[in-house]
Amino acid sequence: QSVLTQPPSVSAAPGQKVTISCSGSSSNIGNNYVSWYQQLPGTAPKLLIYDNNKRPSGIPDRFSGSKSGTSATLGITGLQTGDEADYYCGTWDSSLSGEGVFGGGTKLTVV
Amino acid sequence: QVQLVESGGGVVQPGRSLRLSCAASGFTFSTYAMHWVRQAPGKGLQWVAVLSSDGSNKYYADSVKGRFTISRDNSKNTLYLQMNSLRAEDTAVYHCARASSSIFGVGKLWGQGTLVTVSS
Repeated sequence: QSVLTQPPSVSAAPGQKVTISCSGSSSNIGNNYVSWYQQLPGTAPKLLIYDNNKRPSGIPDRFSGSKSGTSATLGITGLQTGDEADYYCGTWDSSLSGEGVFGGGTKLTVV
Repeated sequence: QVQLVESGGGVVQPGRSLRLSCAASGFTFSTYAMHWVRQAPGKGLQWVAVLSSDGSNKYYADSVKGRFTISRDNSKNTLYLQMNSLRAEDTAVYHCARASSSIFGVGKLWGQGTLVTVSS
């Protein structure tokens, strides 16, 4: 059971928009920055969003991030078949001794 | 070329030990905190540990605390993960990753990973 809750799967048609939610608590999302990662089959995760809403260089502006309270959202517009992947949110959890936490992952299908 | 390359994975019996290495190149390793993140076969990402740039601060996931030790040698640009008392549930691909703007965030540079299989 992951500390951060994501929907197991989402789907949308090419060209459409999709959002992926990530729900946590005050000890993690509520008081720390959120990152989002994309993982294609057989590859290492790729950072899409950091510090809630910033994009690393090379990440297209089709990808966006937002945070409100203890939840965060990844948005993807202009969906492409190449966007089919697993998506993970991640942050720090400041409870007890502190540790990094990830969501369980969301499988995006572009149909 | 900016990259991280893990090594040291393999098949090990339950209760035994293994040490993973992560060789960094193309950037100033000594100025970045570093993470270990693992992924069991067919499962999601699980954060394992993080170590500050100078080695003075380290944090562990509860599931590995007391069994795993993260360390680094900045003169060799290398990060380590000493894994003791290994269990079947430690079976996973282990990735090292560079921290982002703070020690608490996993950033954009990841290694391809090394597979650890714990089995008798």
